[in-house]
Amino acid sequence: DSGVTQTPKHLITATGQRVTLRCSPRSGDLSVYWYQQSLDQGLQFLIQYYNGEERAKGNILERFSAQQFPDLHSELNLSSLELGDSALYFCASSATLGGETQYFGPGTRLLVL
Amino acid sequence: EDQVTQSPEALRLQEGESSSLNCSYTVSGLRGLFWYRQDPGKGPEFLFTLYSAGEEKEKERLKATLTKKESFLHITAPKPEDSATYLCAVQAGDYKLSFGAGTTVTVRA
Repeated sequence: DSGVTQTPKHLITATGQRVTLRCSPRSGDLSVYWYQQSLDQGLQFLIQYYNGEERAKGNILERFSAQQFPDLHSELNLSSLELGDSALYFCASSATLGGETQYFGPGTRLLVL
Repeated sequence: EDQVTQSPEALRLQEGESSSLNCSYTVSGLRGLFWYRQDPGKGPEFLFTLYSAGEEKEKERLKATLTKKESFLHITAPKPEDSATYLCAVQAGDYKLSFGAGTTVTVRA
């Protein structure tokens, strides 16, 4: 158990809908990262937050957004969902801004029908 | 752009048959190279972090090494429970992890 929690574990929704994925980092960790894992793309970095502020962006679509709250939990919002958004979404956390190990949560499996 | 290439894509081993996985990388300003293990449908599980060429780390039957261009994950006398996908990732100045596609290891009893 990495200490990172994610909810829900599974999510099934329809195209065009909006969903919110939630992540609680390890106790004391200030950085939260979001990754997407699909069969054809592998693990792709989406976005990083550090102590409530956005710090880095990867290949995140404009339909996707995230935020980190004062209690340090984070939410990833996915809107106008398409079939191709079906994937595993992972959250990871690390103690500080970067340079040390990122610990991953169990993931949320999203299926868009 | 950071590039990480892992080989082979898949590896089938007999129990006790040692082997090595390769991770070659191109990155500007390496901060660290990470190895993770991932079981199907689960989150990546941290194994090792390597920071500089020549560094080595060991954990049970696994040993990771790092050069300026590549890293190896050596699996010594593997057991069926070592079956998993092993992921290599590099971290550069922007702190994000860039992952390779992984090597899926299957160990038969």
